[in-house]
Parts: sequence; C-alpha cells; structure tokens
Amino acid sequence: QVQLVQSGAEVKKPGASVMVSCKASGYTFTSYFLHWVRQAPGQGLEWMGIINPSGGSTTYAQNFQGRVTMTRDTSTSTVYMELSSLRSEDSAVYYCARDMVRGVIDYWGQGTLVTVSS
Amino acid sequence: SSELTQDPAVSVALGQTVRITCQGDSLRSYYANWYQQKPGQAPVLVIYGRNNRPSGIPDRFSGSSSGNTASLTITGAQAEDEADYYCNSRDSSGNPRMFGGGTKLTVL
Repeated sequence: QVQLVQSGAEVKKPGASVMVSCKASGYTFTSYFLHWVRQAPGQGLEWMGIINPSGGSTTYAQNFQGRVTMTRDTSTSTVYMELSSLRSEDSAVYYCARDMVRGVIDYWGQGTLVTVSS
Repeated sequence: SSELTQDPAVSVALGQTVRITCQGDSLRSYYANWYQQKPGQAPVLVIYGRNNRPSGIPDRFSGSSSGNTASLTITGAQAEDEADYYCNSRDSSGNPRMFGGGTKLTVL
C-alpha cells in the first residue's frame, strides 16, 4: 500500500533552517509528483510547492520563493523540504502529499510538526 | 481572484443532507477537489474532478459545480462525517495552488 512516512518533530530558533524528509513506498517513486503543504495551528492548508521525483524539477509557491528548497533522492525514494530563515509564523505541521493527477492529492504523509521559538 | 472562499462553519442534523460550498474564479475553469480532515489527522481526499470518489469513500459524498461555485454534498450525514472540509483547485500548470479556508462541519 502507498505510504508516505515523514521525519519527526523539530524545534528551531528564529533564523534557522529546517529540513523535513518524506520516504515513499508502495508505488513507483518516480511516477508521481509530490507536494508539500503546511498547516499552522488552527488554520487552513497552504500549498508550498511540488517536486517531480523523476527529474527533480520543482515549482514553488510565490509565498515561499527564495526560502524553500525541495529535493529528492531516488535511491531511497525520499523527498526533502528545506525551509530557511525561519520565523515564528512558520510554526506548523508540514505534510508531503502525492499528486494522483494534475493537482489532485490522493495520499498524505502523517505530518511533521515544526515549532519555531526562541 | 486567486482565492477560494468557504463558509467557516456549517451544521447538519444526523441523517440529513448538507451542502458545503466553495467559491472562486478558478472554479469557472477547473473542478474543485474536496478533502476531509479530522482533528490530529492528515486530510483525506473525498471528491475529485467532476464527481469522483476515491475507493473507500461512502457514496453519500458527492460533488457538483456551477459557474464559480463548487459544492460538496453529504446525503444522510453520519456522526463520523464531523470534520473540517477543504476545497482546492488547480492552476493551469496542474498545481493545487489554492485551498479554501475550510468549513467545520458539525453533525447534531
């Protein structure tokens, strides 16, 4: 079965960077794009960007341009999301999620809580 | 506009029918997808495209669209349907750039 297993919770100081990993299994890793979506406490969902695991190409949401980097490792079927220059407003649960077809997300990771606090 | 607008909260009596709506200009060109999220859990896709249900989603969930408004209808709401519901829509590149603000559904 399809599984997206994310790395554990992180606590970071303002100005630092965080990297969250997402290991995919149960399907052909390079056949489906993967998204990153975040959710601040008590808030809605916010799309951050997408990566093509096959070629590594990325598209980032305008709100995160210059601060986010998405990469992948095909040897381990893992994608990574690094967010830099963290501020308190970046405290959120970060999800990786599989794109079934043209923006339809069919599987989600369990989420990774990132807390930014001095 | 690049926004999707949802009512913050909706309630329905057990066993009755409820419609959750999502408005936005992008919906004139693209279908909405709907996700259910229960507290402490990741979202779950319940409706996508014109009116498609993933495997395992009960047929009491259905979707429709007219003009700039998409709707998620639950016919015969159950207690387990109490959750937050989010719509989203893609852009011309196929990216789900926009999510609605979410609707909290309470089943009375």
